[in-house]
Amino acid sequence: AQRVTQPEKLLSVFKGAPVELKCNYSYSGSPELFWYVQYSRQRLQLLLRHISRESIKGFTADLNKGETSFHLKKPFAQEEDSAMYYCALTIQTNDYKLSFGAGTTVTVRA
Amino acid sequence: EAGVAQSPRYKIIEKRQSVAFWCNPISGHATLYWYQQILGQGPKLLIQFQNNGVVDDSQLPKDRFSAERLKGVDSTLKIQPAKLEDSAVYLCASSGGETGNTIYFGEGSWLTVV
Repeated sequence: AQRVTQPEKLLSVFKGAPVELKCNYSYSGSPELFWYVQYSRQRLQLLLRHISRESIKGFTADLNKGETSFHLKKPFAQEEDSAMYYCALTIQTNDYKLSFGAGTTVTVRA
Repeated sequence: EAGVAQSPRYKIIEKRQSVAFWCNPISGHATLYWYQQILGQGPKLLIQFQNNGVVDDSQLPKDRFSAERLKGVDSTLKIQPAKLEDSAVYLCASSGGETGNTIYFGEGSWLTVV
């Protein structure tokens, strides 16, 4: 069975500093990886997916199959990036069900 | 475009009572999911529907939880009888149609069992 691990529950950075959220997964095949974000009082929403290879709100994430990681990075954190971030995985053969990590709470301080 | 709608947003019940949550997915989305999110954890899938059929309910505690999507649109999740450990946010999500396999979530229904 697939599993997603986010080792950091809390992450605090200063505005303008780089931020990296770690995500590791266990699955022997080729998964699809996502980052979801939940801002205060808002619903869970998709931030980015690895197949898009996009930069969304300044965030990027690269799938490293050798290290089975999908870390989320932003070079200069902003206060509006304070939120809960979830790494998630799906495999095409399981009807696109998402398996989530436990989440990382990011606080960006002024 | 309207998002996934859920109600009620908040519910407090005593243990052994029953509760029902309602979900209206995004129009045109054939796939509907119910997730349970316990405080401090990531969402966990309870059940997945494709139209009005169940695709996966392997994680649904069937002795007390039930869900239906009779007409392939709205869905109801019921808990009876509730236990203290059922305190969680119940998230409904949907996917399909023009948005492909991107999953969209509702705001969630917060349940506290006392």
